[in-house]
Amino acid sequence: AQSVSQHNHHVILSEAASLELGCNYSYGGTVNLFWYVQYPGQHLQLLLKYFSGDPLVKGIKGFEAEFIKSKFSFNLRKPSVQWSDTAEYFCAVNEGKTDKLIFGTGTRLQVFP
Amino acid sequence: GAGVSQSPRYKVTKRGQDVALRCDPISGHVSLYWYRQALGQGPEFLTYFNYEAQQDKSGLPNDRFSAERPEGSISTLTIQRTEQRDSAMYRCASSLEASRGDEQYFGPGTRLTVT
Repeated sequence: AQSVSQHNHHVILSEAASLELGCNYSYGGTVNLFWYVQYPGQHLQLLLKYFSGDPLVKGIKGFEAEFIKSKFSFNLRKPSVQWSDTAEYFCAVNEGKTDKLIFGTGTRLQVFP
Repeated sequence: GAGVSQSPRYKVTKRGQDVALRCDPISGHVSLYWYRQALGQGPEFLTYFNYEAQQDKSGLPNDRFSAERPEGSISTLTIQRTEQRDSAMYRCASSLEASRGDEQYFGPGTRLTVT
């Protein structure tokens, strides 16, 4: 069965620090990859997604992610975090021929001023 | 416009009772998904619909769980004879088209607690 691994469960940073959250998936076929974010008290919302083409994907709020097929990875990055980036971040992948998403366990990011 | 709504937002029930969780997707969205999220975990797929047809129910944990979307809009997830292990956040999402990879818009979730 397909799975998604997020290596960092809890990350604590100071404002202006750089961020990289790891995500690896296990599926050998064509994949669609997503990063979702949940800010405190809010719904899950899409941060960015990769379908095809340029493996470097840019999303909202200055986030980007790079798809590296050979490493089965889709790591999320931001050069300089802000206090408002405090949230939980989930990596997800489409499985097979269906639309269902397989999520990782999430990474809780805390940014201190 | 209005997003995905779910009701109730919180539900506390006693073990053995049946519960029904409702999801109202974004108007015009074809696909509707149900996920369950335990504390400290990511959302776990339960089932999904395109229009009124249930396309995949492979994630439903057992036959106490069922879902319907009779008119292709509002959906109900029903859990019969609830058990404590059913306690979780139940999330609903919808997407515009029945195409792989379309963005799923999530509702606020229903927090179910079985005592």
